[in-house]
Amino acid sequence: DVKVTQSSRYLVKRTGEKVFLECVQDMDHENMFWYRQDPGLGLRLIYFSYDVKMKEKGDIPEGYSVSREKKERFSLILESASTNQTSMYLCASSPGVEAFFGQGTRLTVV
Amino acid sequence: GEDVEQSLFLSVREGDSSVINCTYTDSSSTYLYWYKQEPGAGLQLLTYIFSNMDMKQDQRLTVLLNKKDKHLSLRIADTQTGDSAIYFCAALGTTSGTYKYIFGTGTRLKVLA
Repeated sequence: DVKVTQSSRYLVKRTGEKVFLECVQDMDHENMFWYRQDPGLGLRLIYFSYDVKMKEKGDIPEGYSVSREKKERFSLILESASTNQTSMYLCASSPGVEAFFGQGTRLTVV
Repeated sequence: GEDVEQSLFLSVREGDSSVINCTYTDSSSTYLYWYKQEPGAGLQLLTYIFSNMDMKQDQRLTVLLNKKDKHLSLRIADTQTGDSAIYFCAALGTTSGTYKYIFGTGTRLKVLA
């Protein structure tokens, strides 16, 4: 079974902190994605990566950056957390047609 | 840009059929998906359909695709309380040679006993 693991299920951070959300997949997938999920808005794509050290902006990249130093790991970075970044963050990986999701990280910024 | 739309809520009685609808705008979408999200969990792929098909059946699930109207539906036969969840429609689109998934808002299905 494909496994996509997000490092934390729940996080509480203070405004202005630098926050790292980690995602690891064990199936050698080329493509990895970060989404945020908010009620009534569905999933919105923040960033995606189709290869090591490659990244592409999604629909809402402002306030975020990403890092993909190794194929299995895709990190989402909030440079200076703000309360409007309180959300559920979902990581996904894909070899092509199917996307596999992690359990999600619920981040609260206070 | 690309967009995927769904209604937000659906309520059905246990044993009835549920039909969740979705429309999308990108006519070049090659694959269309249905994902299920249970409370506190990530998204689980239920089924997907290639854009040159108009129907796919998998046990209690039937997916219908009307490519002309860009309309996708998911029918769940004999709906059970365990089917209560949020269902997301998604389309696979391409941008500048790379592809990405566009998700709808999700439809919250509530099954009444």
